Amino acid sequence: DAGVTQSPTHLIKTRGQQVTLRCSPKSGHDTVSWYQQALGQGPQFIFQYYEEEERQRGNFPDRFSGHQFPNYSSELNVNALLLGDSALYLCASSGDFYGYTFGSGTRLTVV
Amino acid sequence: SQQGEEDPQALSIQEGENATMNCSYKTSINNLQWYRQNSGRGLVHLILIRSNEREKHSGRLRVTLDTSKKSSSLLITASRAADTASYFCATDNSGAGSYQLTFGKGTKLSVIP
Repeated sequence: DAGVTQSPTHLIKTRGQQVTLRCSPKSGHDTVSWYQQALGQGPQFIFQYYEEEERQRGNFPDRFSGHQFPNYSSELNVNALLLGDSALYLCASSGDFYGYTFGSGTRLTVV
Repeated sequence: SQQGEEDPQALSIQEGENATMNCSYKTSINNLQWYRQNSGRGLVHLILIRSNEREKHSGRLRVTLDTSKKSSSLLITASRAADTASYFCATDNSGAGSYQLTFGKGTKLSVIP
C-alpha cells in the first residue's frame, strides 16, 4: 500500500519565479493538507483540501494556492517566490481526523 | 504560529537510557499527537492521545497528557541509536472545527551508541 508520494524531492528556483509541487495521497485517503517547514522549525499549516475545495487556510499570503483533483491528488502553487519561501514542503493525507500520513517532502530552495 | 513548545530543544543520551521530552500548548485540544522526523525528511506518526486520556503506551513509547496544565510528555525507554531524530508534538483541535495540526518546534534527540 503506497503511502503519500510527493514530487519533486528537490527543487531550486530563482526569486520571482513560480513553482508547483505535487502530492498523491495514501490509498483510501480523500483529504490533503500542506505544511511548510523552515529549517529548525516545526511544520506550519498552509491549507487543507477536501472534495476539491479549500476547507481551511493557515496564515499564508495569497501567493500560496492549491488545487485538488477528482482522484484526490493535490498541487501546491507558489507565485512570486521570495528567499523566505525556501523550506521543506510537506503533504499529509487523511481519511479521518486521526489518521494523518505525511510524505517525505519537497525541499525548495529559492536563490 | 506555533501552538506548543517542546522541551528540551536538544537531548543527548547513551544507548539504553530513557529519553523524556515535554510539550506544552496554549489552547484546548481534541487530541495530541507525537511525530518523529529523521534528518529533515517526512514526519512519521508515533502515537495519538485523546483529550480524555491521561496515559497511553505503544511499544517502547509512553505518552502522558495533563489537560489542566496543557502539557504532554513522551518517554522512549531503552533508547537505540535508530531513535536519533527530531520529535514533534502536534495538537489537533478538530472538535472546534479546526482541521489543522499545530506543531511545536521539536526536540532533537541524539542517541549515542
